Amino acid sequence: DIQMTQSPSSLSASVGDRVTITCQASQDISNYLNWYQQKPGKAPKLLIYDASNLETGVPSRFSGSGSGTDFTFTISSLQPEDIATYYCQQYDNLYTFGQGTKLEIK
Amino acid sequence: EVQLVESGGGLVQPGGSLRLSCAASGFTFSSYEMNWVRQAPGKGLEWVSYISSSGSTIYYADSVKGRFTISRDNAKNSLYLQMNSLRAEDTAVYYCAREHCSSTSCHFDYWGQGTLVTVSS
Repeated sequence: DIQMTQSPSSLSASVGDRVTITCQASQDISNYLNWYQQKPGKAPKLLIYDASNLETGVPSRFSGSGSGTDFTFTISSLQPEDIATYYCQQYDNLYTFGQGTKLEIK
Repeated sequence: EVQLVESGGGLVQPGGSLRLSCAASGFTFSSYEMNWVRQAPGKGLEWVSYISSSGSTIYYADSVKGRFTISRDNAKNSLYLQMNSLRAEDTAVYYCAREHCSSTSCHFDYWGQGTLVTVSS
């Protein structure tokens, strides 16, 4: 099974800050990685697919990069509505989610 | 508009059974692979099971293999999850999720609102 290690598990930042979350796969998954946003009480929402492609309608302040085993998710300028938990997901072999990063406003 | 609506959750005793349903609308259900994903209270997302568009290919997470059965009825635009031998650790919100795959990528593009399953005596 492929394990996904996401860090940090929680993050506190100020509005306007640049925020970065990392996700490491236990083996090479090429670019088979997605990023989701989940707000409290809501279903997850796809933000980034194939490691770096922005889903239609998602603000351009969100971006993703990486390949192989190391991936990065970035919010270029944090907005209040970005408060949520973010998950990476590999789809190289079935599906595995990272443990999530809870983002809070400082 | 794509809609996925789960139902069937509730309180069940350890060792009991429950059948979840997911009613799909707004798209050609028979053309899409589907998945179940769960989330224990205060915890992260855990993929549970996958079923191909025709129902011929099925996968399960190790944590539910042998206890859960995924199925679909394309004539009724419905996805199911039969859960047997339930344990306390199966307590979670269960989401159905549509899978969108191209030649090079796959992701879950639509999710239901979830249904809560509580396993407790």
